[in-house]
Parts: sequence; structure tokens; C-alpha cells
Amino acid sequence: DADVTQTPRNRITKTGKRIMLECSQTKGHDRMYWYRQDPGLGLRLIYYSFDVKDINKGEISDGYSVSRQAQAKFSLSLESAIPNQTALYFCATSGLHQQGTGELFFGEGSRLTVL
Amino acid sequence: GDSVTQMEGPVTLSEEAFLTINCTYTATGYPSLFWYVQYPGEGLQLLLKATKADDKGSNKGFEATYRKETTSFHLEKGSVQVSDSAVYFCALSLNSGYSTLTFGKGTMLLVSP
Repeated sequence: DADVTQTPRNRITKTGKRIMLECSQTKGHDRMYWYRQDPGLGLRLIYYSFDVKDINKGEISDGYSVSRQAQAKFSLSLESAIPNQTALYFCATSGLHQQGTGELFFGEGSRLTVL
Repeated sequence: GDSVTQMEGPVTLSEEAFLTINCTYTATGYPSLFWYVQYPGEGLQLLLKATKADDKGSNKGFEATYRKETTSFHLEKGSVQVSDSAVYFCALSLNSGYSTLTFGKGTMLLVSP
């Protein structure tokens, strides 16, 4: 089983719908991240959390919100999806041994299509 | 702000050819540098890293040297295989416990038999 699990892996929805992408991890890491990947743009950071009570905006947080329900769970929500939020979304984690080095562990991605 | 610039792809090579993917960076401090690889349909995984100037990271036949004087971290492999076909991302992180990764846009590598 994957150490970082994302659900759903694929989702097609319509403009205006609320969508939640979920991430859970079994690595025991305290830090979790949500990135979005678009062709030609690489990965861009949406939100990150350094522990359960810590939430930080990344470079493209507008239109998104997150919830850190537990150390192992970090959810990304789109309150009212729009077509330009069509992308591949990745959850990632890092832990104590990776602090200061930036090494991340990624899930397999959630492909979201907004029609 | 901090940024990473990679050569645009796709890079198309024949098996056993030599590979270079260029990466340069701009950072306010002294970052750690990374190469991540994304195989088709998968998430990113760390390929190699270097945490200070003149360090060489290596893994699976790939290597990259942290060049502070040219702010570069070029990825090289002497003989590529079809199985190396993937998207390669250069990234940096400032050496702080509160830093996050900044990625380049990625370079697709296609290796033909």
C-alpha cells in the first residue's frame, strides 16, 4: 500500500460544484502539502501545514481551502469549482528527518476535470 | 523570489545516448537542490539531491553537481534507457526548517529503442 494515499484518483465535475480531495499518510510525518500540476507550469504550492494546528497559504491559494483533520489527514476543498481548476493535484509529506532539506514524499495524484 | 529554470522539453534521445538536462536557480540564501522524477501515471519521487556547493548527488546512474558559481545543478546520465522516459523536475529549498520546495516547470525525456 502507498504511504501517501489520495482519493479520488480521478474526478469529473461541473462548474460551481463543491469538491474535496483527500490525502492520508502512514509515514508519521508532521508536514503535509498540496500542489497542483499544469502542463508547462510545473508544480505550484497551494497550501501547506507543518502540524495539525498550522495552516499556511502557498502561491496559488485563491479558490481553495484546506483542513488538517489529524496528523495523518489533509484535505483540499474547492468550494465552487471552475474550469481553470482542471489540473493534476498532488499531496506530499515531509518529516523530522527531512526538515531543512526539503525532501518530500508524494502521493500518486488526483486528476480533476471541471466542465 | 526564489526560482528554478529548466530547459524546455521534450528531450528526445536514442537508447544509450548521453543526457544533459540544464537547471539554474535564483535564491536569496544557500539552498539545497533536488532532482525529482515523475514516471507516467505516478507521483514525483526524489532522484538525487545536494545540500551544499560542490556536492554531487547521484542515483540510478544519474548525477548532478551543485555549482554555486554558475547557480546550476545540471542533470546528467552517461547512457539512457527506455525506462528513463519520464518528466524530470529540478527544485530548490532554502536550508530552513520552515522552507518549502520551489519547482521548475519540468522537462520531459523520451528515450526510443
